[in-house]
Amino acid sequence: DAGVIQSPRHEVTEMGQEVTLRCKPISGHDYLFWYRQTMMRGLELLIYFNNNVPIDDSGMPEDRFSAKMPNASFSTLKIQPSEPRDSAVYFCASRAKGLEQFFGPGTRLTVL
Amino acid sequence: QKEVEQNSGPLSVPEGAIASLNCTYSDRGSQSFFWYRQYSGKSPELIMSIYSNGDKEDGRFTAQLNKASQYVSLLIRDSQPSDSATYLCAVRVNEKLTFGTGTRLTIIP
Repeated sequence: DAGVIQSPRHEVTEMGQEVTLRCKPISGHDYLFWYRQTMMRGLELLIYFNNNVPIDDSGMPEDRFSAKMPNASFSTLKIQPSEPRDSAVYFCASRAKGLEQFFGPGTRLTVL
Repeated sequence: QKEVEQNSGPLSVPEGAIASLNCTYSDRGSQSFFWYRQYSGKSPELIMSIYSNGDKEDGRFTAQLNKASQYVSLLIRDSQPSDSATYLCAVRVNEKLTFGTGTRLTIIP
């Protein structure tokens, strides 16, 4: 299996622009998680899906952030408009119920 | 109080010695416990999971869980330079994993 796939791996954008991060979970995994990692705050859960349905988005920092999972093999995290404080590494992770969670390689986002 | 607490380190250990990493958690409803290793610039990689009180060994790694004390630890025997990384403790309540801020471990040759 290819593991969790994320794209792009690096994104540099200017403040105010829309940013879309993409994730393909491991086949057969019915849970998908979006995390953000910064030096100051560590690894934070933003939102997670079960069977393509958003279950808990309490970690989404504000309305500028949105996430979708249109099918079992694809999810997006969108930031509109982006701000410099959104600069971080964004990880997608997936797992099957009751089993271990695996992370993708991450997207390093820089907002200038 | 943070939900999952770890000493941030850095922790320096001579090569060949035992590295001991500790983690405490606040939610008594926590069901599963994990240790992830993260190299600089890479994603977290699962190295150990433990679900019941006691010890669990896997090669040079031993995870220890004490639910009464709300304490999880990771021992790395015969430490190698390749063990130098940040170690993240994670606790699962229902379907959510909460991570500690990590302990940075450096193995000194």
